[in-house]
Amino acid sequence: NAGVTQTPKFQVLKTGQSMTLQCAQDMNHEYMSWYRQDPGMGLRLIHYSVGAGITDQGEVPNGYNVSRSTTEDFPLRLLSAAPSQTSVYFCASSYGQSNTEAFFGQGTRLTVV
Amino acid sequence: RKEVEQDPGPFNVPEGATVAFNCTYSNSASQSFFWYRQDCRKEPKLLMSVYSSGNEDGRFTAQLNRASQYISLLIRDSKLSDSATYLCVVKGSARQLTFGSGTQLTVLP
Repeated sequence: NAGVTQTPKFQVLKTGQSMTLQCAQDMNHEYMSWYRQDPGMGLRLIHYSVGAGITDQGEVPNGYNVSRSTTEDFPLRLLSAAPSQTSVYFCASSYGQSNTEAFFGQGTRLTVV
Repeated sequence: RKEVEQDPGPFNVPEGATVAFNCTYSNSASQSFFWYRQDCRKEPKLLMSVYSSGNEDGRFTAQLNRASQYISLLIRDSKLSDSATYLCVVKGSARQLTFGSGTQLTVLP
């Protein structure tokens, strides 16, 4: 069982570059989300999706775009990388009902120089 | 004020000790409550859900007090393998998870 797969695991970008973090899940989960984790801040929600074709903003959406063309995939795009976007990014998926477990990918460590 | 606040830690305890973590949440409409565990440089994983009646899973006991908006996690007979960061997580009506900043536990031999 692959679960939630994130790529790449590590990435270094120059300020102003763009890139896409990939996330795929094979559990047929409706709900997918992206978080960033910074020291002392916990995980903060960037964007989420409750199903294919539907996305919405979380707590810290600025500088990021998402799309959900299929149930399986939920890529996160950094439009113009900034040093403030240096962080660890996690993708998660769940069935969406209130009391179900969220499964996380292994994370992407992004450094913007 | 943060939506979910946890003991800042770190907690350093000897093997076999009992340790308790506390968490408070600000949104009274929150519907579901969880404790996640995160090992160093790894992804969070569900430790246990938290129910109003309290629930136990082996050495782990979780309690929820909706009136006080308070969640707790008790670990008995700590093992070296319990060393991790414990995240208090709350889910609201919009199905979004809100995370506390985590409490770091180190169990010492």
